[in-house]
Amino acid sequence: EIVLTQSPATLSLSPGERATLSCRASQSVGNYLAWYQQKPGQAPRLLIYDASNRATGIPARFSGSGSGTDFTLTISSLEPEDFAVYYCQQRSNWPPYSFGQGTKLEIK
Amino acid sequence: EVQLVESGGGLVQPGGSLKLSCAASGFNFSIYWMSWVRQTPGKGLEWVANIKRDGSEKYYVGSVRGRFTVSRDNAKKSLYLQMDSLSAEDTAVYYCARASGVNANWFDPWGQGTLVIVSS
Repeated sequence: EIVLTQSPATLSLSPGERATLSCRASQSVGNYLAWYQQKPGQAPRLLIYDASNRATGIPARFSGSGSGTDFTLTISSLEPEDFAVYYCQQRSNWPPYSFGQGTKLEIK
Repeated sequence: EVQLVESGGGLVQPGGSLKLSCAASGFNFSIYWMSWVRQTPGKGLEWVANIKRDGSEKYYVGSVRGRFTVSRDNAKKSLYLQMDSLSAEDTAVYYCARASGVNANWFDPWGQGTLVIVSS
């Protein structure tokens, strides 16, 4: 099973700053990586698929990069509504799919 | 609007059974793989099961294989999860999700979730 490790566990930033979230896979997943945003009491929402493609309706300030084992989600300029928990997910070799443990992006 | 709405969660005793349902609307349900994903505070997000468009292929995470059964009714645009021999470790919010992409690569959208609590 492929393990995804996200870092940092918590990221404290201010609105307007740039956020960089990392996801590392225990073995190559190609570009089969997605990113989700989850706010309290809500279901996860797809942000990025296939490592770098924005899902429908996702603002351009969200971008994804990487391939193989190292991936990054970047939020270029944080808006107040961006503070949430972010998860990565792979499907390179399902079953099973796997998720990272999440990065909490909090207001500094 | 693409929408998924789960139901059927609740409190069940260890060893008991529960059946979750997910009603889909706003898209052609029969052409998509569908999934169940659960979330617990301790283990985070965990994929549970997938079912192919026509129900001919089903896949499960190891911890539920043999206890859970995923099924679908394309005419009713509904997805189901029959959960038997439940234990405390199955306590979670259960989400249904459309497995999107050419090879069911990612989950989009998700339902709002239904809470299952296994406790005596």
